[in-house]
Amino acid sequence: TQLLEQSPQFLSIQEGENLTVYCNSSSVFSSLQWYRQEPGEGPVLLVTVVTGGEVKKLKRLTFQFGDARKDSSLHITAAQPGDTGLYLCAGDSGNTGKLIFGQGTTLQVKP
Amino acid sequence: DAEITQSPRHKITETGRQVTLACHQTWNHNNMFWYRQDLGHGLRLIHYSYGVQDTNKGEVSDGYSVSRSNTEDLPLTLESAASSQTSVYFCASSESNIAGTDTQYFGPGTRLTVL
Repeated sequence: TQLLEQSPQFLSIQEGENLTVYCNSSSVFSSLQWYRQEPGEGPVLLVTVVTGGEVKKLKRLTFQFGDARKDSSLHITAAQPGDTGLYLCAGDSGNTGKLIFGQGTTLQVKP
Repeated sequence: DAEITQSPRHKITETGRQVTLACHQTWNHNNMFWYRQDLGHGLRLIHYSYGVQDTNKGEVSDGYSVSRSNTEDLPLTLESAASSQTSVYFCASSESNIAGTDTQYFGPGTRLTVL
């Protein structure tokens, strides 16, 4: 069974701090996605990475796919209260269109 | 605008009853998915479909069934509801890009409580 392990599971920080969320597996993924979910809503896609070593930036968010395509990270610079939410990584192992999700990281950014 | 809707948004039922959760998308997507979300488990795949008349089991399919009679709808049925099926259920859809890089668009979720 393929698994994606996210760490940390919970993170509470002050506005302006930097943070990194990790998503790790022993399996290789053909692509990996990051979603953000707010309370009472469904997840919304932030980014898709497909190439080993790929780095993508979305404003203050930086996403990296590991060289071996087994892990990924999400780094937020100068976090803001609007970044509060649940962050989920999800991988497709065999180009099936079917995703395996990590447990999620709950981020709280306090003003 | 295209969207994906779920109904009901909240449901309370009793153990042993049959329950059907509706999912309707206007994206004209071929792929549709049902997940359940529980604390500490992220999203777990229940069933999925790549097109009309196609259905497949996910990792937690026991006690659930789906049918796909048209492109727009993928109803999820709990044959005999159990307390372990208390959860938040999400439906999602995506285009038929099997390269795995498609965006999955999620509905707002259905909170199901089985007493």
